[in-house]
Amino acid sequence: EPEVTQTPSHQVTQMGQEVILRCVPISNHLYFYWYRQILGQKVEFLVSFYNNEISEKSEIFDDQFSVERPDGSNFTLKIRSTKLEDSAMYFCASRDGMNSPLHFGNGTRLTVT
Amino acid sequence: QKEVEQNSGPLSVPEGAIASLNCTYSDRGSQSFFWYRQYSGKSPELIMSIYSNGDKEDGRFTAQLNKASQYVSLLIRDSQPSDSATYLCAVESQAGTALIFGKGTTLSVSS
Repeated sequence: EPEVTQTPSHQVTQMGQEVILRCVPISNHLYFYWYRQILGQKVEFLVSFYNNEISEKSEIFDDQFSVERPDGSNFTLKIRSTKLEDSAMYFCASRDGMNSPLHFGNGTRLTVT
Repeated sequence: QKEVEQNSGPLSVPEGAIASLNCTYSDRGSQSFFWYRQYSGKSPELIMSIYSNGDKEDGRFTAQLNKASQYVSLLIRDSQPSDSATYLCAVESQAGTALIFGKGTTLSVSS
């Protein structure tokens, strides 16, 4: 069964550094998402992406965040200057149509020290 | 502000019993509803989707939707210890551009 692939599985970075989290969505999917989950808390929506542009973003997704689909397979989340409170599990997800279920990757655990 | 509310639990049931999980949502225009299961440290995995009022059954799982009451539920029959996890309710935004998740209900099934 096709999977959403995320790399790395764990990233440790220092406060103020830039990080890029990478995702390969399922190949025939058109809609891409980033969510985050702080330890012990809910899965929070960050951003949705379709047709090479952002469809919707949450209040969390401020100017420190950006997304990109640099080629036909990758989908990335960049955090420009990490803060301690950015420490969380970041999940990439994709789906083949609006109102279809999301398929999640295994996540990248980001630790900011 | 779109909200999805769930009782955080824990909900404890003995093996073989029925577990009932509930969810309410605020966006009256939502059209798609999903239940996910999340084991500790893992990503959410889809259990069921439901789009129309009424019941939808899949094996031991039954999802129920009542759009007038803005209420979604999940019943797990013959609960097994392996069902012990956090169950997440997710609701599509009216624009159809995001799934909004509740905080989840932790289920513990004792053998």
